[in-house]
Parts: sequence; C-alpha cells; structure tokens
Amino acid sequence: DTAVSQTPKYLVTQMGNDKSIKCEQNLGHDTMYWYKQDSKKFLKIMFSYNNKELIINETVPNRFSPKSPDKAHLNLHINSLELGDSAVYFCASSQWSDVREQYFGPGTRLTVT
Amino acid sequence: EDQVTQSPEALRLQEGESSSLNCSYTVSGLRGLFWYRQDPGKGPEFLFTLYSAGEEKEKERLKATLTKKESFLHITAPKPEDSATYLCAVQVITGGGNKLTFGTGTQLKVEL
Repeated sequence: DTAVSQTPKYLVTQMGNDKSIKCEQNLGHDTMYWYKQDSKKFLKIMFSYNNKELIINETVPNRFSPKSPDKAHLNLHINSLELGDSAVYFCASSQWSDVREQYFGPGTRLTVT
Repeated sequence: EDQVTQSPEALRLQEGESSSLNCSYTVSGLRGLFWYRQDPGKGPEFLFTLYSAGEEKEKERLKATLTKKESFLHITAPKPEDSATYLCAVQVITGGGNKLTFGTGTQLKVEL
C-alpha cells in the first residue's frame, strides 16, 4: 500500500551513461514533482507536472527529461550523466488544489563515477 | 530571490530538554510556510502548514508558530524518536504555478 514509490532505490553508473528513474503514486493525485537533494541535504525542485502537463521546469539541464505517461506516473530520464548529477532524487505528488501537502517517495540515490 | 534559512544546522538535545528550531524567510508574497520531517534514507514527511502571522499548529510534542519574517518549531520534552532532519519550506507562485522552496534543514538528535 505504498503511496509514492520509486525505482530503483540505488543507482550506480559511470559518466556519460544514460539512466532512468521511475515514479508511481497511488494516491489519486493529479500533480507530481521531481526534486534533487544534494550532499548538503538541500532539496530543490526540478520539475512539476499537472495532469501529464509540464508546469514547472527549474532551469534544469536539457540532459534531464521528465515524462508523464499518465497522472499516476512521472519518470525521469538523464542523458550523458556527469559527476555533479550524483544526488538523491525524490519524486512527490499532491493535489493541485493543495500543492503544499506533498507526499514524497523514498528517494533514488544516484552515484556517478 | 526567494530565500529560506534554517538555524541551527544541527542540534543535539538530551531527552526532555525543550528547544526551538528557526526558519527565516525572504519571499515576495508568502502563500504559506510548511514544516516537513525527514528521517535518514527516507523522503520528507509533511508536518504543518502555516498561512498567516500569529498562527500556531501543534502535533504531539511539536508546535509551529509563524511571524512575518520567521517561523519556529518548538519541541517540548523531546524523545529519541524525534531525532530527524526538520525542513522548512515556503510556497511561492511562479509564472507557471506553485512550488515549494526548501531550507537546508536542521538535523536534530535527541539522546537518552
């Protein structure tokens, strides 16, 4: 009965590779987000989608491409991975009418070597 | 630019030793201030929403308050299970929609 789930939980890869992270929510929410949390625990929004439509894109490099096949899923594809992409990536969801109360997934720890 | 600053960065308390965490913000048009709790290896968990100066919210040993420039998270008689990182966030309206801007958190450790 997990609310927001992400796969994989850990991802170790080399520079230059392409990787994807998947996110699913079963809360019936219509808005989903991707956040990046760096080594200093700073949590910063990357993207938000409402009903499969991109709403927020926070000046994220073009190597990052989110895709939302339906309201319950928001995936993140990263091309040409760089060392600086190493971080924990969190998916979250909320009702658009209550964007503040966001439910977060467990995170995906990405390590680029 | 919207800014959220939390202090202290880390706080160590003895069980039962009450204290407060601070969140100061500089935003153009605050729509709401939120507190989240994050345990190691997990995603943040929503605690409170505060909308206007003077508002207070309580949950067990936690009490959040809001002024025009800052918010406090008061922890009364903390227990070891209160150990976590506490994140403060403000809601801002961008050209495309609403978003949360987070502070860097206060890492709280409560010892027996």
